[in-house]
Formats: sequence, C-alpha cells, structure tokens
Amino acid sequence: AQKVTQAQTEISVVEKEDVTLDCVYETRDTTYYLFWYKQPPSGELVFLIRRNSFDEQNEISGRYSWNFQKSTSSFNFTITASQVVDSAVYFCALKLDTDKLIFGTGTRLQVFP
Amino acid sequence: NAGVTQTPKFRVLKTGQSMTLLCAQDMNHEYMYWYRQDPGMGLRLIHYSVGEGTTAKGEVPDGYNVSRLKKQNFLLGLESAAPSQTSVYFCASSFLGTGELFFGEGSRLTVL
Repeated sequence: AQKVTQAQTEISVVEKEDVTLDCVYETRDTTYYLFWYKQPPSGELVFLIRRNSFDEQNEISGRYSWNFQKSTSSFNFTITASQVVDSAVYFCALKLDTDKLIFGTGTRLQVFP
Repeated sequence: NAGVTQTPKFRVLKTGQSMTLLCAQDMNHEYMYWYRQDPGMGLRLIHYSVGEGTTAKGEVPDGYNVSRLKKQNFLLGLESAAPSQTSVYFCASSFLGTGELFFGEGSRLTVL
C-alpha cells in the first residue's frame, strides 16, 4: 500500500529558529515522485518542490532545503532562519507512475515573532 | 492571470439538497482534480480527469459525480448532500501528470 506519514501535527518555533518537517513514505514501486506543498492561511496550496526516486541529491532553495533518503523512506523539509511568513500548513505527497497524488495529513507550522 | 477559479467559495446546504461546484482553469491544462480537505485527514482525492470528456474515481468518490465537458472546466456535483460531505473542496489542475498541481482557493461547504 502507498502511504505518506507526517507525524508532526503542529510545530511552533520562534522567528529565526531552524525547523525540520518530517515526511515518511511507503511504496513498493521503484519509480515514484515526492512533493512538498505549502498552504498559507489564505488557503490556496502552493507547490514547493518535486523529486523523483532516482535523484537523492539534496536540494536547497534560499532558506528551504530538502533531504531525500531512500534508505529511511524519508523526504524531510528544513526551513532555516524561519520567518513569520513561513507560518502555514505543509503537506508532503507521493506520486507513483499514475495520475494521482497521495497527500500526508499535513504539519501546521507556527512561527512566532 | 486567474489560474484556477472555484465557485462558489462558500455554500450552506440542507441534507438532501443538491449542488454543483464549478472549477475553471485558464492554463490549458489537461489534468484536473477535485480534493476534499478535512481536519486531520489531509487532502483526499474525490475524482479526477486526464482530459476533456474523461473522468476517473479517486479515493473517496461515493456521493459525488463529476463532468468534464470542456477542457477548461471540471464540475463536481452532490446529488443528495449529507452532513459527512461538510468539508473544504479544492480543485487543482496540472500539465499532464507531472504532479505539480495548481490549486484553486477552495470552496467551503457546510451541510446541515
């Protein structure tokens, strides 16, 4: 069965702290894609990143970085020097070689000034 | 650039009433999706479409119907609303099946 687990329901940090959001996935397929989406208070989900199962290189985009480890079936997301604007619900998602995305239950991040 | 537009944004229904949610995208995307978001459940796929005139079931299709008569529009219908269908509904589209979805702002539906 395919599944995405985001065990952290809610995380609170103070501005400028680093924070890591965990994502663990389950699949027996060898070809798959992993995603992170951000849902700010306005409600509209926004795509952040996509990785395929053959590319385990970590990625950095400004204050955001992603760590993909097939050995532990994890695709964690780190925000460095968090800001209040980072407050949102973050979803990890898995896509197999089909047309459907399987989402985790989300992690609500609150960044306090 | 409008992107993905959902109407209505809010609706209150009584049990047994019917309604249709409209999703329109102006990006010429082939794929369109309807998700529902419930507390603690994440987003669950209701139905999706990989092109004009096609539809397919997702994880939670019961109680819903969809139609994709035009490429830019994807309609979600509730024939006989139930309180269990109280939720926030999101439409999304993508260029083919890349997984990079563009979402609408959501439609909050309450069934009393």
